[in-house]
Amino acid sequence: QQQVKQSPQSLIVQKGGIPIINCAYENTAFDYFPWYQQFPGKGPALLIAIRPDVSEKKEGRFTISFNKSAKQFSLHIMDSQPGDSATYFCAASKGAGNMLTFGGGTRLMVKP
Amino acid sequence: DGGITQSPKYLFRKEGQNVTLSCEQNLNHDAMYWYRQDPGQGLRLIYYSQIVNDFQKGDIAEGYSVSREKKESFPLTVTSAQKNPTAFYLCASSIAGGMNTEAFFGQGTRLTVV
Repeated sequence: QQQVKQSPQSLIVQKGGIPIINCAYENTAFDYFPWYQQFPGKGPALLIAIRPDVSEKKEGRFTISFNKSAKQFSLHIMDSQPGDSATYFCAASKGAGNMLTFGGGTRLMVKP
Repeated sequence: DGGITQSPKYLFRKEGQNVTLSCEQNLNHDAMYWYRQDPGQGLRLIYYSQIVNDFQKGDIAEGYSVSREKKESFPLTVTSAQKNPTAFYLCASSIAGGMNTEAFFGQGTRLTVV
């Protein structure tokens, strides 16, 4: 059972565009929602994270929007650059410890 | 430099053979994890350990085994019982019991059955 559903699977945008990646979760006990960025052949690295007590968090060009009632959250990348081309994973965890449940990933390509 | 080191980067296994993937961390983290990554399926949890000499099964533990004899090390053995072991394996660590703390990942081991 996939507890975190991510869409789209792949996304192509032009440089300067604003790609949006969406995730939906089922378990209302989740209380931590990070996004990870992964380049080919590398391990994922934390990009930005949000807790359900806020509706939006921004770090540089990356913004998370969170809708607790809809059990959805999304990642927006402002002024996207070719260097942002990577696979992005949303994730969720609950309580203490970091047993992350990951979405299926979105492969983003930003064209010059 | 602090971090997580996985070795080898590439590993080839023959049918019916057990192989062990290494994961070492010098971040002084109590918790360590193993994930499997397949195309289009995200990362799935194999095993995790919150403390030395203790570990728990994740969602897809069948065909795998682990040990946690030292805080710094969490090796994963892929046994012959794992019917489809070809995948990218990722090790991670974090502060145990920390509320919403970051998980740090290694660079992965790509295992191929030949």
